Amino acid sequence: EAGVAQSPRYKIIEKRQSVAFWCNPISGHATLYWYQQILGQGPKLLIQFQNNGVVDDSQLPKDRFSAERLKGVDSTLKIQPAKLEDSAVYLCASSLERYGYTFGSGTRLTVV
Amino acid sequence: GENVEQHPSTLSVQEGDSAVIKCTYSDSASNYFPWYKQELGKRPQLIIDIRSNVGEKKDQRIAVTLNKTAKHFSLHITETQPEDSAVYFCAASDGTGTYKYIFGTGTRLKVLA
Repeated sequence: EAGVAQSPRYKIIEKRQSVAFWCNPISGHATLYWYQQILGQGPKLLIQFQNNGVVDDSQLPKDRFSAERLKGVDSTLKIQPAKLEDSAVYLCASSLERYGYTFGSGTRLTVV
Repeated sequence: GENVEQHPSTLSVQEGDSAVIKCTYSDSASNYFPWYKQELGKRPQLIIDIRSNVGEKKDQRIAVTLNKTAKHFSLHITETQPEDSAVYFCAASDGTGTYKYIFGTGTRLKVLA
């Protein structure tokens, strides 16, 4: 099966600029997650979607981060305005059932 | 909420030796514990998982054990090979039924040839 697709692969922006990441989950996977992985740390959940509804966004910094999942398939994560501490890899994952989800290759964001 | 602690943060072993990584979790309602391997610059990949109704699971050279009473679980890699070198993350389901995972901070395993 095709994996979880993410783009872009890398992004460098200046602080206070905006940036958007895109994710296309595995076909048929109802649940989609965005994780933030800061260098040297484990992935931290930002938001979880079930179809096109939000299940959990308690860790999403809503003053600057937003995410949507239109039609329950693709998803975009946006940061506006970016801060230096947002430098991280943003991983998208999807799952069909409760056990074991598949990660995409991630977008490495550098804020300078 | 769930909290997962992972030790050690780095681990070096000689090729052919065994490696053990340990994790503890806080939410007694957690019922699923996956382990992910992440090579440099690549995505985390699921290597083994265990559900709370079993105490041990094995897949070739890797095994995972779970002690629900003590709320800890461990990854065991036997006969380590250089290609086992990577960062390993444990995770625990959060226990609320939403199927999201809380990850540990990772263990960097180096297998010395």
